[in-house]
Formats: sequence, C-alpha cells, structure tokens
Amino acid sequence: RKEVEQDPGPFNVPEGATVAFNCTYSNSASQSFFWYRQDCRKEPKLLMSVYSSGNEDGRFTAQLNRASQYISLLIRDSKLSDSATYLCVVNPSGAAGNKLTFGGGTRVLVKP
Amino acid sequence: DVKVTQSSRYLVKRTGEKVFLECVQDMDHENMFWYRQDPGLGLRLIYFSYDVKMKEKGDIPEGYSVSREKKERFSLILESASTNQTSMYLCASSVPANEKLFFGSGTQLSVL
Repeated sequence: RKEVEQDPGPFNVPEGATVAFNCTYSNSASQSFFWYRQDCRKEPKLLMSVYSSGNEDGRFTAQLNRASQYISLLIRDSKLSDSATYLCVVNPSGAAGNKLTFGGGTRVLVKP
Repeated sequence: DVKVTQSSRYLVKRTGEKVFLECVQDMDHENMFWYRQDPGLGLRLIYFSYDVKMKEKGDIPEGYSVSREKKERFSLILESASTNQTSMYLCASSVPANEKLFFGSGTQLSVL
C-alpha cells in the first residue's frame, strides 16, 4: 500500500460548482499535512496547510480526519483557473523536518 | 520572492553518459532536495541536504549521487544514465522546521 494515496481523477467540474476529494495516508503517526497545487508543466506550489481543526482559505477548505486517516480538499464556486493537479503531502515521520511524502495527485478540470 | 533555479528545462542524454543537474537557490535556505516526478507515482525523494557538504539518501537514491559544496547550490549527478531515469527532476529548498517547499521549474530529462 502506498503511504499517501489519491484518486488521480480527472474530476470534471462545471464552473461555479463545488468539488471535493480526499487523500488517505497509511502512517497514523503523521503530524503534518498539506495541499500543493501543480499547474500543467509547472512546479508544485503550496496551496495550504491542513490543521486538525480544519481550515479555510477563501474558496478552499481543508479537513483532517485522523480516525480514518484522510485529509480532504473542497473547492467552492470553482473557477476555470482552479484547473490543476492537487498534490496531497504528508510528513509521515511524526517529527519536525522536511522529509515529506507526496501523493500522486488529483487532477481537476473546471469547464465553462 | 524565493527563487530556485534549475540549469536546464529540457535535457536529452544517451545511455551511459554522466549527467549533471544543477540547482541554485537565492534565499539562504539550509535545506535542499531533489525529487523526481513520474506519472502515477507522484514526487519521490532522491536525496536531500540539511547543510553544506551534508547529504542524506531519500527513498530512491540508487543510480544517483549529489554534491553540496556551497549553501546555495545542490547538484544531482547521474553517474551512468539509464533509460529508466527518464523523468521530470524537481529541486526544492526550505528553511529548517518549516515544511514549506519552494520548487524550481523542473528539468525534463530524456535518456535515449
């Protein structure tokens, strides 16, 4: 089993709709969780960190479910510019540091 | 803004050649990383470095080596390139205890 698993998609989303997708992780000791965004042929960039209480940044909401070992990302009022691959990232060591594990990414396509 | 620069955007090499991929960051970051990204496999850590002249193996170090003689520069070396090393290579940097990674724009390496 992969340490971090994501549905590769693509999720085809009408403009203005809401889309949500999950990421599961295997190491229950994992402490830090992130969502990165990667545009086609570009480098990944940090979208948001995921906190235990859940957090929101504009139209984006991230949630953490420790009991079931998954994190989620919800995008409201989808824009064409939200089309990208969303990478789930986990620090599986439980320790501070940068040895992060990336999921394979979920591709989102927002269409007019 | 942090800038991570990779020396080449596209590179074509022949099997058996020695290949150097260069990465330079301009924000005095202690941590530097080399990942490769393949479809369906996500980003996988090859090597990382927490300080000058220091290196640690990541998850897939076989067939690679690295060099960090100066803080701002982290080089990835393929001693004898093979076709299974055809991939997108991404360099990243960060500060200690901060898991936000800043990526370069990547080098698409093709080994023929």
